[in-house]
Amino acid sequence: GAGVSQTPSNKVTEKGKYVELRCDPISGHTALYWYRQSLGQGPEFLIYFQGTGAADDSGLPNDRFFAVRPEGSVSTLKIQRTERGDSAVYLCASSLSGDRVRETQYFGPGTRLLVL
Amino acid sequence: DAKTTQPNSMESNEEEPVHLPCNHSTISGTDYIHWYRQLPSQGPEYVIHGLTSNVNNRMASLAIAEDRKSSTLILHRATLRDAAVYYCIPMTGNQFYFGTGTSLTVIP
Repeated sequence: GAGVSQTPSNKVTEKGKYVELRCDPISGHTALYWYRQSLGQGPEFLIYFQGTGAADDSGLPNDRFFAVRPEGSVSTLKIQRTERGDSAVYLCASSLSGDRVRETQYFGPGTRLLVL
Repeated sequence: DAKTTQPNSMESNEEEPVHLPCNHSTISGTDYIHWYRQLPSQGPEYVIHGLTSNVNNRMASLAIAEDRKSSTLILHRATLRDAAVYYCIPMTGNQFYFGTGTSLTVIP
């Protein structure tokens, strides 16, 4: 079946602009995660959704970052007033029920964001 | 959150076994140990996970020390496709902390 998909695959923007990154999880998965990966580092947790609600947003770096999942499926990560330091690969993952201790997370290919 | 220590890099010859170590000395009793790998330009993919007993699946084996302070991922016969960064992640029920992982190079 279809895996996790993310669009766009690449996004180039200018400092100060607003960007939206989209994630389509595996159908039927109730849990959705966003991560950010800088060059040479492992993925860094940003936010976790259980259904439509953000169950854990403790990884969001500041209030310029916001994510929504209004219908419990597709999610959008929104970054306002982008800064050069926001340049990274943004990864989305989903899992069946959100049991973070035991469950496998399935990752998308990521969106590579470059802020000039 | 439990933190991990992994070698930055390892090399293996093709078709030979590879043992990837991970130290997680601060792990709690209920943390599962997950291993993911990330091939170049791709998102991470699940490899294996376990709690106390050794685990096997079609991709790999996971050997967990009796005191659970360390574990070893075993690839029985490395292939070129196994070249990736391998992450050992104690799962606390809170967040996935990936660390920097071990970059595995497979030599033909």
